Amino acid sequence: DGGITQSPKYLFRKEGQNVTLSCEQNLNHDAMYWYRQDPGQGLRLIYYSQIVNDFQKGDIAEGYSVSREKKESFPLTVTSAQKNPTAFYLCASSMDRGFGANVLTFGAGSRLTVL
Amino acid sequence: KQEVTQIPAALSVPEGENLVLNCSFTDSAIYNLQWFRQDPGKGLTSLLLIQSSQREQTSGRLNASLDKSSGRSTLYIAASQPGDSATYLCAVNFNKFYFGSGTKLNVKP
Repeated sequence: DGGITQSPKYLFRKEGQNVTLSCEQNLNHDAMYWYRQDPGQGLRLIYYSQIVNDFQKGDIAEGYSVSREKKESFPLTVTSAQKNPTAFYLCASSMDRGFGANVLTFGAGSRLTVL
Repeated sequence: KQEVTQIPAALSVPEGENLVLNCSFTDSAIYNLQWFRQDPGKGLTSLLLIQSSQREQTSGRLNASLDKSSGRSTLYIAASQPGDSATYLCAVNFNKFYFGSGTKLNVKP
């Protein structure tokens, strides 16, 4: 079945550590996104990529980094510079390169907790 | 900055009721609008997509309407069931996706 796989589902991090969240899709979608979700808030865009080897900052990119070396993969690194990293992280993808007609498909999410 | 608002934030109804969830947005120049369902600790599942040229979409007991001129969309759930209990989010595509904070629905048996 086509879909988006996020791993790990749960992750614990000590302060000062970098951690990387994996996102893999087999939908042949061009665009991929990372969102952060905090309790009682809407999703906020961290980074997005519309094509391999290119990505753009979203609304809350500080303290995060990404790469897009393959069409299928869009890993997110939460660095020690992110002051409040405890959150639920969601990866999404869409078919087209432009935002205009896009429809989002989401993964199951990764919950990061800083100890 | 675009804003998407969902009211109410939470809703509790007895099983069998018909109910309406609201989503409002600040700009009528949208490409499309998606309604999602999210179960606790899970990702988002797409329920309905309305393109900007459409007025409504239906899937089973769900009906979503779109009124761009007033900046509103509603999700109508007919004959609610306990299995409908979840958080419902709308996402508005202004050439970038903006999400509401969701309506948490509890359908009591």
